[in-house]
Amino acid sequence: AQSVTQLGSHVSVSEGALVLLRCNYSSSVPPYLFWYVQYPNQGLQLLLKYTSAATLVKGINGFEAEFKKSETSFHLTKPSAHMSDAAEYFCAVTFHGSSNTGKLIFGQGTTLQVKP
Amino acid sequence: DVKVTQSSRYLVKRTGEKVFLECVQDMDHENMFWYRQDPGLGLRLIYFSYDVKMKEKGDIPEGYSVSREKKERFSLILESASTNQTSMYLCASKASGYYEQYFGPGTRLTVT
Repeated sequence: AQSVTQLGSHVSVSEGALVLLRCNYSSSVPPYLFWYVQYPNQGLQLLLKYTSAATLVKGINGFEAEFKKSETSFHLTKPSAHMSDAAEYFCAVTFHGSSNTGKLIFGQGTTLQVKP
Repeated sequence: DVKVTQSSRYLVKRTGEKVFLECVQDMDHENMFWYRQDPGLGLRLIYFSYDVKMKEKGDIPEGYSVSREKKERFSLILESASTNQTSMYLCASKASGYYEQYFGPGTRLTVT
């Protein structure tokens, strides 16, 4: 069975500091992985996706993530945090061959706080 | 851009009422989904639909039903609302053959 674990429900960084949000997955078949961002009182917006092409994936707003099969990880990073990055972030997984139904399995979410 | 809209941003209902949450997408997507979001639990799939009139149960279907009479519209129905259904409800859609889902703004439902 597939699952996703996000390490740390709350992460706090200073403005300008590195952002690192951790995501580990469990899957018996090749996974497809996603990061979504949710700003207060809004829906989820796709940040980036890994679908078996390049292992280093660049997304919107300066975020990127690296797929590491040996570590079953897909951590999200940004070199320099902005105040506008404060939001909740979700990691999600699905698997190759599921595109006709496309069920996503979500992690519990990580709230990113950016301090001035 | 894909646009997914939900009929209400905030909704307050009484226990026992029948509640309809509507979702419309404008990109001719085959697949549509209903999730509920609760603090510390992430998103949990209630129901999904992969075609008109087709539906499948997700992980937490109890107390809910759905309807998909037209491709662009997917409705979530709470037959008899209960206080434990107070939550944020998110609708999503995606095209068959692709993996990323696109989300609506959500409906925050309070059942009193």
